[in-house]
Amino acid sequence: GAGVSQSPSNKVTEKGKDVELRCDPISGHTALYWYRQSLGQGLEFLIYFQGNSAPDKSGLPSDRFSAERTGGSVSTLTIQRTQQEDSAVYLCASSLERWLSSGGDDTDTQYFGPGTRLTVL
Amino acid sequence: AQTVTQSQPEMSVQEAETVTLSCTYDTSESDYYLFWYKQPPSRQMILVIRQEAYKQQNATENRFSVNFQKAAKSFSLKISDSQLGDAAMYFCAYRHSNTGNQFYFGTGTSLTVIP
Repeated sequence: GAGVSQSPSNKVTEKGKDVELRCDPISGHTALYWYRQSLGQGLEFLIYFQGNSAPDKSGLPSDRFSAERTGGSVSTLTIQRTQQEDSAVYLCASSLERWLSSGGDDTDTQYFGPGTRLTVL
Repeated sequence: AQTVTQSQPEMSVQEAETVTLSCTYDTSESDYYLFWYKQPPSRQMILVIRQEAYKQQNATENRFSVNFQKAAKSFSLKISDSQLGDAAMYFCAYRHSNTGNQFYFGTGTSLTVIP
């Protein structure tokens, strides 16, 4: 089946403009993650959606960043008033997380999209 | 807080040889998961191998295997019979099993395979 897709693959914008990045997770995956990967760095967690629960926004670097997930499927990451330091690759991942009867979670594999390379001039 | 350290920014290996990538992590938890992801130039992150902390047996996937040392908090990746297609960035990642949603990633190791 289809994997995680992201659009656009590349985005060049001017400082101060708003941008929207889109992620289409694998159908049926309940969990969706956004990460930021700066040049030469690892992945920085931004936000996590799980089903109908309130998202975990603890990784968002500032209030210029926001994300939503409509209908438990497609997600949009919005960056307002972009700054040059926002330039990075933004990766989306989805997973099918199953809850064991003990109340823990059986972590399933994260499947990543190809990312959106954002360049802020 | 959990941290993941990859102390080798770059590694190289001769084709058909074996290479080991290092990863250490810091946690006070006993139940967690560890992962190795591969990111080729296409940017697509691909799961290479995963290990559940409660399992003592080291995970193996074809030419990829891990050396999981729980007491030492070490999780190294061994690639045997290296192939040109193995050239990529490799990221080690940690996730606690019962609480929190975050995966913690290391800064990556860039692997070059020499023909």
